[in-house]
Amino acid sequence: DILMTQSPSSLSASVGDRVTITCRASQSITYYLNWYQQKPGKAPKLLIYAASSLQSGVPSRFSGSGSGTDFTLTISSLQPEDFATYYCQQTVSTPQTFGQGTKLDI
Amino acid sequence: EVQLVESGGDLVQPGGSLRLSCAASGFSFSSNWMTWVRQAPGRGLEWVANIKQDESEKYYVDSVKGRFTISRDNAKNSLYLQMNSLRAEDTAVYYCASGGAVAGRYSYWGQGTLVTVSS
Repeated sequence: DILMTQSPSSLSASVGDRVTITCRASQSITYYLNWYQQKPGKAPKLLIYAASSLQSGVPSRFSGSGSGTDFTLTISSLQPEDFATYYCQQTVSTPQTFGQGTKLDI
Repeated sequence: EVQLVESGGDLVQPGGSLRLSCAASGFSFSSNWMTWVRQAPGRGLEWVANIKQDESEKYYVDSVKGRFTISRDNAKNSLYLQMNSLRAEDTAVYYCASGGAVAGRYSYWGQGTLVTVSS
C-alpha cells in the first residue's frame, strides 16, 4: 500500500496568512493526488484534483502543486471559513489511501 | 442537485452484521465508480472499498477483506456495503462517495452514517 504522510499534523495561523501543507507519498504517484477539506461533523469536500486542478466552485486562494512523491496545498490568504482539517489522497492504486490529516486552527 | 444519502448505520454487537445503503440522485450514478470511506471517532479518513460501474471490479482494504462486500444496483441508483463479522475497530462514520477509478476524484460525498460495534 502507498503511505501518504502529511506535515504538519496541526498548524495555527491567522486570517490573512499564507499557509502551505505538504504531502509525501511513499512511492511515485505521478500527479494522481487530491486534496480535501473537512469541517467538524461534515463530509469531506474536494478542493484540488490531479495535484493542481481546482475543483469547480472552490475559491482561487486554494492551489496545489507537485508531482512524483512531493505535493503541496497552499492557501494564499486564510479566510475564517478555511479553518478545518485537510487531507491528501492518492488515486494511482488501491487502496486509495489518505494522509493522516492536517488540522488548521487559529 | 447532487445527493448521496447513506442509511443503515446502527449499534451492533461484535460478530454481528449490518447492511449500509447509499441512495444517489442528481448525477449519472451508473457512469461512475463508487467508493465507501470511513472515519473512526476523532480519527482520519480511511478508504474501505470501491466498485466499478458494471460491478466487474471490486477492491477492498485488507482489514475488511472477506468480511465486507460492496455492491450496487444501477437501476435503483444505489450503493451497498454488506458488513459481516463486525469488530469494535469497524466503529466509524461510513461515507459513500462518487469516484474511485484510477486517477479519479471523489467529487460528491454523502453525509455519512454511524456504525457502532459494541457489546
